[in-house]
Amino acid sequence: QKEVEQDPGPLSVPEGAIVSLNCTYSNSAFQYFMWYRQYSRKGPELLMYTYSSGNKEDGRFTAQVDKSSKYISLFIRDSQPSDSATYLCAMSALLDAGGTSYGKLTFGQGTILTVHP
Amino acid sequence: DAEITQSPRHKITETGRQVTLACHQTWNHNNMFWYRQDLGHGLRLIHYSYGVHDTNKGEVSDGYSVSRSNTEDLPLTLESAASSQTSVYFCASSRTQGGNTEAFFGQGTRLTVV
Repeated sequence: QKEVEQDPGPLSVPEGAIVSLNCTYSNSAFQYFMWYRQYSRKGPELLMYTYSSGNKEDGRFTAQVDKSSKYISLFIRDSQPSDSATYLCAMSALLDAGGTSYGKLTFGQGTILTVHP
Repeated sequence: DAEITQSPRHKITETGRQVTLACHQTWNHNNMFWYRQDLGHGLRLIHYSYGVHDTNKGEVSDGYSVSRSNTEDLPLTLESAASSQTSVYFCASSRTQGGNTEAFFGQGTRLTVV
């Protein structure tokens, strides 16, 4: 079983739809939860990150973490064709009691999203 | 602007050949990582380094090696290329700090082993 599971889709939605992307994980040591966006033939770019449980909102994007269920979500409101990309969830564990993270990430498989006009 | 660059962007090689992929970052980050991306697997960690002369194996390190002789570079070597190593390779770097630290990725190297 993989440490991080993500439905690969593909997911196709009309412009303006609300998109929900999800990941589950098994490693209780994960404390930082991230969403990366990757356009075709490009490197991943950080979209959102959340520490421990809770919600975080940034414009049309909302990230949620439920550590009790080991489940994280990314919501995209009013989706646009420019949101068409692969979305990757990623997680990292703390490496010391001081809360230091070194950026070593474990990724989900990625979900291919297409928003059509 | 600081950046992370990979070269070459595309490479075709023959089975059994040694191949080296370059990664260079100008952020002065301590931490550097190599991932491979394959359909259905997302990004999987090959090797990583937390500083000069430090290297560590990741999830899928067999057949790969790295060395870190300076802060800016982490070249990835395929000792004897195999068809199973056909993939897209991404290099990333991050700094060490308290709290979350963002990993910045290069544009990727598409490697085909024939």
